[in-house]
Parts: sequence; C-alpha cells; structure tokens
Amino acid sequence: GENVEQHPSTLSVQEGDSAVIKCTYSDSASNYFPWYKQELGKRPQLIIDIRSNVGEKKDQRIAVTLNKTAKHFSLHITETQPEDSAVYFCAAKSGGSNYKLTFGKGTLLTVNP
Amino acid sequence: GAVVSQHPSRVICKSGTSVKIECRSLDFQATTMFWYRQFPKQSLMLMATSNEGSKATYEQGVEKDKFLINHASLTLSTLTVTSAHPEDSSFYICSAPRGTRTDTQYFGPGTRLTVL
Repeated sequence: GENVEQHPSTLSVQEGDSAVIKCTYSDSASNYFPWYKQELGKRPQLIIDIRSNVGEKKDQRIAVTLNKTAKHFSLHITETQPEDSAVYFCAAKSGGSNYKLTFGKGTLLTVNP
Repeated sequence: GAVVSQHPSRVICKSGTSVKIECRSLDFQATTMFWYRQFPKQSLMLMATSNEGSKATYEQGVEKDKFLINHASLTLSTLTVTSAHPEDSSFYICSAPRGTRTDTQYFGPGTRLTVL
C-alpha cells in the first residue's frame, strides 16, 4: 500500500518568514495530494490540493509543488502569520476510485510574532 | 464548502459499555465515508471505509467486531465502539468525498471519546 513520509515533524519560524513542509510517497499510481491544516481539537481543513497532471498550484500565500518523478510534494507558506500556527498534514490518494487517503505524520508549525 | 457533522462531539463512558457515533453529510449524498482515529499528537489513522448498501471495509489490525459500522443511508454512517476500554479513548473523525467525481474529502468535527 501507499506510504507517506512527512518532514519536518516540527517547524518554528518568525512571523513574515516562509515555511516549507515536504512529503514523499511510495505508490507511483497515486494521483491526488491534499494538504490539511488542523488546529488543536478541531477537524482537519483542506487548504490546498494538487493532482498528478499539475506541477504547481498557488492560492494566495500558499503553494504546493509536485515532482512525480521523485515522488515528492511540498507545501510552501509565504509571509507567515501567527494564525498559520497549527499541525499540517499531507496526504496521498492511490489511483483507483475508492478515495482512500494515506496521511503523513504531520508537522507542527509555530509562527512566532 | 460541503459540510459533514458528527454527534456527539464528546462522550465519556464506563469501561465495557458501547458508544455510537454518527456522521452525517448535510448538503450532499455520500455513498462512501471514512472513519479515522487520532491519538494525541499523532496522525489520522484510517480505521475503515463505510459503504452505503454494503459491508464496511476495515484496515489491517482493526477489529470489525469491536468497531461496528453501519452506513444506513446516503447521508448517515455510524460507528459503534463495542465493549469500550480505556485504550479506545481517542479522537474519532469521519470524512466523506463529495460526489462521485471528486477526490476532495470533507471532515467532520470529530468525537472525543473517553473511556473510564
């Protein structure tokens, strides 16, 4: 089955700096890669996603890049703000129609004012 | 965006009792829903896939007789933790993809289960 590795496990940045979180996946048939933000005790919220036919996607301060050859994808947050502090999870969906996602272990991002 | 609800949000029960958690898609139909368990400071671990009109598919290591799943309708899936024990205490979250042509999954708010 699919295996998703996520790094780093914790990341601390100063407000205004950029943050990058990286994930690798094992199943070359995976074709959908969402990123979720989860605040303490809350549900995961989808913040951005990318499909395997696209190399990069951007939404305001958030961007995701995908390298299919190397089987890795990254989340980039620019101009970080304290409210960006949360746990971020990457995930991958294998090819097929069952929608099943495999999650990375998460990254605790702390943005210091 | 699509809305998924869960009930209850918190439950405390005694060891040996059963607890039922409901997951509803509020503004769309979901033939498939997913149940996850999340321990403190850990990732989401998929427990099972709930399928409307057929049996749930359980992940390896998840006891199907302990975690009963019923997908009663196109908007409701229930997870029953039977004979709960303290080690079952966790955050249980459901999710559902909206529609048949989307990969996007929407999560419920989660249920905090504490077994005394």
